[in-house]
Amino acid sequence: NIVMTQSPKSISISVGDRVTMNCKASQSVYNNLAWYQQKPGQSPKLLIYYASNRYNGVPDRFTGSGYGTDFTLTINSVQAEDAAFYYCQRIYNSPNTFGAGTKLELK
Amino acid sequence: QVQLKESGPGLVQPSQTLSLTCTVSGFSLTSYHVSWVRQPPGKGLEWMGVIWTGGSTAYNSLLKSRLSISRDISKSQVFLKMNSLQTEDTATYYCARDNNWGMDAWGQGASVTVSS
Repeated sequence: NIVMTQSPKSISISVGDRVTMNCKASQSVYNNLAWYQQKPGQSPKLLIYYASNRYNGVPDRFTGSGYGTDFTLTINSVQAEDAAFYYCQRIYNSPNTFGAGTKLELK
Repeated sequence: QVQLKESGPGLVQPSQTLSLTCTVSGFSLTSYHVSWVRQPPGKGLEWMGVIWTGGSTAYNSLLKSRLSISRDISKSQVFLKMNSLQTEDTATYYCARDNNWGMDAWGQGASVTVSS
């Protein structure tokens, strides 16, 4: 089975900064990758699908990129409401494995 | 308006079977897949399995021997059954609408504790 590895495990940055988090697949998933945001006590929300497509209503400060095994989620000018866990997921072909997540904290 | 809602017992005894229901509205089970995802307290998301629009299923290999997903189209319900529960199965269980390109709608989650 394909393993999805996210890094770093946690990030602490200031409002207005730019942040990048990574997701690496153990073998190629082509562009079959999604990103989710989960805030404490809430269900996950879809941010990005097919690696780089922003889902409806997602602010354009969120950008996904990558292909094959290496993917990146970038948040430009981070806002206070972006503090959350972020998960990548292999999509389209099962198993739809999740990465372990990256925790974004605001200083 | 697309909605999913999980329901089931909050407490299950060890070695017993967990039965959860996901009731959906605003879309048809013949047009969208439905996946189950769980999250142990303080931990990450784990994909459990999916029931596709045609009714076939796929499961996480680690859970396959214990897990069954089915549906009742007429009632807009998807069912999860998992047997031989242990304490490590304590988690919040989510159902989600699965588009193939991502899970774009999620239920609120059902908290399940495995304890005697």
